[in-house]
Amino acid sequence: QKEVEQDPGPLSVPEGAIVSLNCTYSNSAFQYFMWYRQYSRKGPELLMYTYSSGNKEDGRFTAQVDKSSKYISLFIRDSQPSDSATYLCAMSSFSGSARQLTFGSGTQLTVLP
Amino acid sequence: DVKVTQSSRYLVKRTGEKVFLECVQDMDHENMFWYRQDPGLGLRLIYFSYDVKMKEKGDIPEGYSVSREKKERFSLILESASTNQTSMYLCASSFGGAGANVLTFGAGSRLTVL
Repeated sequence: QKEVEQDPGPLSVPEGAIVSLNCTYSNSAFQYFMWYRQYSRKGPELLMYTYSSGNKEDGRFTAQVDKSSKYISLFIRDSQPSDSATYLCAMSSFSGSARQLTFGSGTQLTVLP
Repeated sequence: DVKVTQSSRYLVKRTGEKVFLECVQDMDHENMFWYRQDPGLGLRLIYFSYDVKMKEKGDIPEGYSVSREKKERFSLILESASTNQTSMYLCASSFGGAGANVLTFGAGSRLTVL
């Protein structure tokens, strides 16, 4: 079983839809949770970053963390064709020098005009 | 506004060739990383470095080596390229210290080994 599971999609939605992207994880030591967005033929870029449980909002994007269920989500409101990309969740614990990120495999999203 | 630069975007090499992938960051980050990205497998860590001349193995170091002679530069070396090393290679960097390990990635180097 992978430490981080992410539905690979692909996911296609019409413009304006609300998109929900999710990851589950098994390591209860994870405390930092991130979402990266990767456009085709580009490197990933940080979209959202949260610490521990709770919600964080940034414009049309909301990140949720439920540590009790080991489940994180990214919501995109009023989705746009420019949101079409692969979304990667990533998480890490804090344990000395081993602060490496564990990534999900990514969900490919297409927003249709 | 480029912060992590990977010198080669696309490379085609033959089996057995030695391959150098170079990465430079201009953010004075302590940490640098090399990942490979393959469909269905996500990002897998090859090597990382927390300081100059320091390196640690990641999850899949076999067939690779690295060099970090200067803080801003981290090189990935394939001593004898094989077809199963055909992949997208991503370099990343981050600040050291406490807190999350937020990575800044380069644009990637797509390597094809024939």
